[in-house]
Amino acid sequence: DQQVKQNSPSLSVQEGRISILNCDYTNSMFDYFLWYKKYPAEGPTFLISISSIKDKNEDGRFTVFLNKSAKHLSLHIVPSQPGDSAVYFCAASSNAGGTSYGKLTFGQGTILTVHP
Amino acid sequence: DAGVTQSPTHLIKTRGQHVTLRCSPISGHKSVSWYQQVLGQGPQFIFQYYEKEERGRGNFPDRFSARQFPNYSSELNVNALLLGDSALYLCASSLGVAGGFRDTQYFGPGTRLTVL
Repeated sequence: DQQVKQNSPSLSVQEGRISILNCDYTNSMFDYFLWYKKYPAEGPTFLISISSIKDKNEDGRFTVFLNKSAKHLSLHIVPSQPGDSAVYFCAASSNAGGTSYGKLTFGQGTILTVHP
Repeated sequence: DAGVTQSPTHLIKTRGQHVTLRCSPISGHKSVSWYQQVLGQGPQFIFQYYEKEERGRGNFPDRFSARQFPNYSSELNVNALLLGDSALYLCASSLGVAGGFRDTQYFGPGTRLTVL
């Protein structure tokens, strides 16, 4: 039961253009969503998050959009840089079961390649 | 400031053996979560510990156990290792604030376990 899905295994964009990574979820209890970036042989690095009370959150070149009715979120990177090339994971959490957002459910990841 | 640290970096074991992985959280963080990541998938939640108590457990067999110490560091133990336990084991720490605060998890570099 894949509660968080990233349907695009890979994405290739040109330097300077916009990268859009997508994520869908099925569990209505999720109310906090995060994006992580991961390089090979390293742990995931936190990028940006959004609470279900918002529909947009920005941090520099990164913007996350949340559409609760569609159970869909997306990460926009503008402008894309070659150093952004990595695997991007979306993750979702809730306060259910007393875990206080301590349990993340991850998507399968999208490999982003930014070409110079 | 030091991030989440994990030891060892790499480990090779044979089937049937036991392994202990260690994690030190970010200073001031009281919650530690463990994840297993196999190649090509997103991390899967194993355990969450807060104030030395188990707060959540994922869908893993009883061969997996963990504990948290008074200094908030944590150990993950796996008994009777199987070939399928080969994976990257990730530790994440967070503040662990209760009451609906959207807590963000920060990951360590992981321990790569190979079971032969």
